Order: sequence, then C-alpha cells, then structure tokens
Amino acid sequence: EVQMVESGGGLVKPGGSLRLSCAASGFTFSHFRMNWVRQAPGKGLEWVSSIISSSSYIYYADSVKGRFTISRDNAKDSLYLQMDSLRAEDTAVYYCTRTGVYLGNAFDVWGQGTMVTVSS
Amino acid sequence: QSVLTQPPSASGTPGQRVDISCSGSSSNIGSNPVNWYQQVPGTAPKLLIYNNNRRPSGVPARFSGSKSGTSASLAISGLQSEDEADYYCSTWDDSLPMGVFGGGTKLTVL
Repeated sequence: EVQMVESGGGLVKPGGSLRLSCAASGFTFSHFRMNWVRQAPGKGLEWVSSIISSSSYIYYADSVKGRFTISRDNAKDSLYLQMDSLRAEDTAVYYCTRTGVYLGNAFDVWGQGTMVTVSS
Repeated sequence: QSVLTQPPSASGTPGQRVDISCSGSSSNIGSNPVNWYQQVPGTAPKLLIYNNNRRPSGVPARFSGSKSGTSASLAISGLQSEDEADYYCSTWDDSLPMGVFGGGTKLTVL
C-alpha cells in the first residue's frame, strides 16, 4: 500500500525551530518529486516547498524562503522539513505529498498531516 | 489572497450539475496543467482531476475538468450528498516559480 506518514509536529514558541519528517512506503521513493503543503486552521491549502528526486532542484514559497529547508534521504525513503524562525502564521497542518509520475504537477498521494502550532 | 481565483461557495440539489471556476494567468494556468482536489473537512485532500481533465482510478465519471486559456473549471454532474466538501484548483506558476492553489470552494448539497 502506498503510504506517507508525517511526524514531528507540536507546539513551539515564536522564533523556535521544528523538524518535520515524512516516512514513505509502498513505492520507489527515489523516483518521485516530493512536496510539503500546509493548511492553517479554517483556511485553504498553501504550497510550501518541492524537491525533485535527486535534490538538485528545490523550490520554496516566498512566505517560508530563508526560514524553511526541505531535504530528503532516498536511502531512508524519507522527506524532511526543517522549520526555523517560526512565526504564528506558520501554524497549520503540514501535509507531505507526492507528485505523480506522468500526472503533470499533480499531488497524487497525501499523508494524514501533522499539526504545527506556533504560540507563546 | 490566492494566485488562483475560485468562488468561495457553490451549491446545488441532488441530481443537479454544479460548475466551479478557477481563474489564473498566462504564467500558471495558461502554461501548465490544472489539477483539482477534494477535501472533506477533517481529512487530507484527495486528487480528483489531473492534467486538466483526467480522472485518477476510482474517481467517478460524474467529475470532469476542462481548461481554456487562463481559466479552468470543475464540473460535478448528478450531485450527491457525499460530494459536499471543499474543492481546490492547483497548478505550477512558471514566473514565481512555485506551486499555487486557489482559495477553495465550499460545495453545499442542499
């Protein structure tokens, strides 16, 4: 079964750091572009970051550029999001997503999400 | 506000057809395929339409997508109560460059 499980969310103070992880299974992780998408409470979806299979190309939303770092370990079938200098507006559910092969830029598999709360 | 523009709400009665629009620009919808996601509150989003008009395995044929120029549309025919959810359009923007979503449309089945 194709599956992705996020972990690492929690409560952190403004200015703090958190590292999210996403463990993938059921598919050849190293073949796929991976992404983080977030959703603030009661709000819509927001694309956060993407990383291609080889890690050669990485993209960030302007709202997180310079504060968040996406990375992956293909040997461990894992995706990461290092979040520094966290702000209240970063409070959201963070989803790990897979860009499907031959599906253009569509996110065909989503994790269940992990909640990040930034509050003093 | 969102790069892609969707109506905040839509509604219909069972059996009706509902259309949800998504408006963008030449650097996003005009240059890249559009995808649609369905999200039932409290759950993760689910891919509904990819590459403008293709349905993943398991998605009913009642759902269809189209694109023309810098706009796209999701059509739901034969509306059912279980279609009540939030719907999001999405694509890539070449000029930013980054992924972009619409603000979402809350569909109510009356």
